[in-house]
Amino acid sequence: KAGVTQTPRYLIKTRGQQVTLSCSPISGHRSVSWYQQTPGQGLQFLFEYFSETQRNKGNFPGRFSGRQFSNSRSEMNVSTLELGDSALYLCASSLGGTAGSEAFFGQGTRLT
Amino acid sequence: QKEVEQDPGPLSVPEGAIVSLNCTYSNSAFQYFMWYRQYSRKGPELLMYTYSSGNKEDGRFTAQVDKSSKYISLFIRDSQPSDSATYLCAMSVASGTYKYIFGTGTRLKVLA
Repeated sequence: KAGVTQTPRYLIKTRGQQVTLSCSPISGHRSVSWYQQTPGQGLQFLFEYFSETQRNKGNFPGRFSGRQFSNSRSEMNVSTLELGDSALYLCASSLGGTAGSEAFFGQGTRLT
Repeated sequence: QKEVEQDPGPLSVPEGAIVSLNCTYSNSAFQYFMWYRQYSRKGPELLMYTYSSGNKEDGRFTAQVDKSSKYISLFIRDSQPSDSATYLCAMSVASGTYKYIFGTGTRLKVLA
């Protein structure tokens, strides 16, 4: 069974640019969550999508947005990049039917 | 004060030792507790998943949850150099939200 796939693995951008990251969940999983991981703050929740609807959102500015498609694949977009956005961006996939179902992570996209 | 506290380490132990990793938390609404292992430049890998209080064993790993003390532990028996990684605890409430709160991680080094 294929795991969670994130593309691209690495991105280098300059301040002010925009970036789109992609996440393909495990087959059959309908929930996709996004996290930002930095050395100082650890893993911080960005948002979660289930059946194309955002169910939960973390405390990040509106520059961070996401969406989910009918095949459960998800994209995350960051507009007007700032230096502090450099991080490992991780997505997690879960069945999503009940609260707290196991979440499986992809390898992440490292944004510099 | 962070919702989830975890000693960052590093924790160095000799091969074969029993390792104890711990997290404390402040939110009594947490019901789901997870431990992830993360190797350098990789995504977190789910090790253990428990609901509410009690113990769960899987091979060399044992997870313990003490909700009365708001304290969770992961024990690794017969530790191996391949166990050297960062261990992250994570938890969530049981109200339909899929927001996981992570500890900052404990770096473990198992010396051959």
